[in-house]
Amino acid sequence: KNQVEQSPQSLIILEGKNCTLQCNYTVSPFSNLRWYKQDTGRGPVSLTIMTFSENTKSNGRYTATLDADTKQSSLHITASQLSDSASYICVVASGGSYIPTFGRGTSLIVHP
Amino acid sequence: DSGVTQTPKHLITATGQRVTLRCSPRSGDLSVYWYQQSLDQGLQFLIQYYNGEERAKGNILERFSAQQFPDLHSELNLSSLELGDSALYFCASSARDRVGNEQFFGPGTRLTVL
Repeated sequence: KNQVEQSPQSLIILEGKNCTLQCNYTVSPFSNLRWYKQDTGRGPVSLTIMTFSENTKSNGRYTATLDADTKQSSLHITASQLSDSASYICVVASGGSYIPTFGRGTSLIVHP
Repeated sequence: DSGVTQTPKHLITATGQRVTLRCSPRSGDLSVYWYQQSLDQGLQFLIQYYNGEERAKGNILERFSAQQFPDLHSELNLSSLELGDSALYFCASSARDRVGNEQFFGPGTRLTVL
């Protein structure tokens, strides 16, 4: 069964600090992995997409990494801002299904 | 703004009632997805339509049904509502039905069942 596990479930950091969110997956065959940001009460928005051959991809202060061998991904947020407070969802697509597998998300709170 | 619209934004109704949620995808997108997100829960995939045809089904209850019309807008019908159906319902669209296509999410409809 395809599964995506995210950790930690929640995280509180101070503004300006860095943090790293983790995603482990057992999706097979692997197609791609996306990180979405979901502000409270709003729809998710894609931050990055990574395919099998990509190790690192950046989008501003967000940097995603992928290790296809260990089936792990991370999302690193640099110099956090109050607006980074949101849920971050890891989504893995499989070549064997029309529908990707969603993680439950990591809830990030950035305090001033 | 993702380009996906959902109406209504909020909906309050009573148990046993029936409601219809509406979604208009981004211009040019053929695929529509419906998701349910209960309080502090992850997104639960309900159903996908592609160009008017059902493409994939997730954990959708028999009391729920959906369709995609020729103009590509979609409706999600929820009947015999129960308290546990209270949730945010998101619609998303993508250009095609290929897995891994970026899904663009609407603002959601917040359903409250009293």
